[in-house]
Amino acid sequence: DSGVTQTPKHLITATGQRVTLRCSPRSGDLSVYWYQQSLDQGLQFLIQYYNGEERAKGNILERFSAQQFPDLHSELNLSSLELGDSALYFCASSESGTGRANYGYTFGSGTRLTVV
Amino acid sequence: AQSVTQLGSHVSVSEGALVLLRCNYSSSVPPYLFWYVQYPNQGLQLLLKYTSAATLVKGINGFEAEFKKSETSFHLTKPSAHMSDAAEYFCAVSEGSNYQLIWGAGTKLIIKP
Repeated sequence: DSGVTQTPKHLITATGQRVTLRCSPRSGDLSVYWYQQSLDQGLQFLIQYYNGEERAKGNILERFSAQQFPDLHSELNLSSLELGDSALYFCASSESGTGRANYGYTFGSGTRLTVV
Repeated sequence: AQSVTQLGSHVSVSEGALVLLRCNYSSSVPPYLFWYVQYPNQGLQLLLKYTSAATLVKGINGFEAEFKKSETSFHLTKPSAHMSDAAEYFCAVSEGSNYQLIWGAGTKLIIKP
């Protein structure tokens, strides 16, 4: 157990629907990162939050949004889902007190999203 | 700009043989370097990291990596491969001032019996 908790582990939904993925970082970690991993695109950085504020944005679609709550858990919302959104979605947290990446990340076990 | 190149999307070795996974980076300042491993249907797990202390870094599961500034490399090695080492391995770099890691494309390690 890495200490980063992601729910649900699996999600199957239809095209056009909206889903919410949840992540609880390791105790004390202020940064949360979201990644998408698919067979054809590899590991893609989506977005980072640090202590409740958006810190960096990657290749995140406009249909996707995220937030980090006061208790530091984060949610990734995916809407108007398409078949191509099927992927593994990972959350990671960092122990860095500044939000910088020099400590590396601790990853959760991921949510496998299947859009049918 | 920072970048990470992992040579070989797939590497195949026999059980008991040396494992060598290559990682080259570009960075304008001394970097922080990481190797992660991903077993099938699991998240990424930190194997080891270089943070400007010793250039030879030992990690979990018998892996180690050597930082070579002159070659801008951080190759991952293990003296003797085990079947359980079959996984995908990712190299990543940060310049310390960055808020995110820059990732290589990953190398799938295949172990032949």
